[in-house]
Amino acid sequence: TQLLEQSPQFLSIQEGENLTVYCNSSSVFSSLQWYRQEPGEGPVLLVTVVTGGEVKKLKRLTFQFGDARKDSSLHITAAQPGDTGLYLCAGAGNYGQNFVFGPGTRLSVLP
Amino acid sequence: KAGVTQTPRYLIKTRGQQVTLSCSPISGHRSVSWYQQTPGQGLQFLFEYFSETQRNKGNFPGRFSGRQFSNSRSEMNVSTLELGDSALYLCASKWRRVGDTQYFGPGTRLTVL
Repeated sequence: TQLLEQSPQFLSIQEGENLTVYCNSSSVFSSLQWYRQEPGEGPVLLVTVVTGGEVKKLKRLTFQFGDARKDSSLHITAAQPGDTGLYLCAGAGNYGQNFVFGPGTRLSVLP
Repeated sequence: KAGVTQTPRYLIKTRGQQVTLSCSPISGHRSVSWYQQTPGQGLQFLFEYFSETQRNKGNFPGRFSGRQFSNSRSEMNVSTLELGDSALYLCASKWRRVGDTQYFGPGTRLTVL
C-alpha cells in the first residue's frame, strides 16, 4: 500500500508571509497532484507533476516534484486569506491504480 | 458546462439503516469514483465505475456498494450503517483514463446517529 504523509498538519500564518508544505512517501509515484479544498466543497485540482525534479508555477504557488518521485513540496509566496483551505497531495502508482491521498495540510491565512 | 452534482447534500440516518447517495458526472465523463473523507482517515478511495463496470475498488467492507447507469450517473449504497460511517462522501468524474483529471462534486455529508 502506498502511503503519503503531509507536513505540517496545521499552519496558521499572517497575510503576506511565505510558506512551504510537504508531501512525502517511501513509494515512487508516476505522478503527483496537489488539490485545495475549501469548507463545504470538494477538492479542486491545482497541478499535476509527472517528471522527477519538475517545477511548476501557478501565480504565487510553486510546486516541485522530488528527483526520486517520492516527495513534493508546495511553496506559497505572499500568502493571502483566499489561500486558506485544506491542501491535499495525491500520488498515482505505476500500474493504473487510482490516486492515493495524503491527510492534508490545513492552512489558515489571517488578514 | 455544469460541474459534478451530488444529492442529497446532507443526510442524517440511524445505525442499522441503509442509505443511497447519487452522483451526476460532468457531461461526457464516463468514469465516476467515490471517496470517503473523515477527519481521522482523510480522503479514502471507495471504488471507481467506468462504462457501468467497477474498474477499481478500495479497501472497504462489502456494506459499501455502487453502480453506474448507462448515462454515467452513479449511486453508492451503504447498508447496515455504523457510527463510523459518518463522513463526507465525495464523487469525482473524469473523461475515461486513470490519468485524466478528475473533478470533484461538493459531497454528501452523512451523519449516523
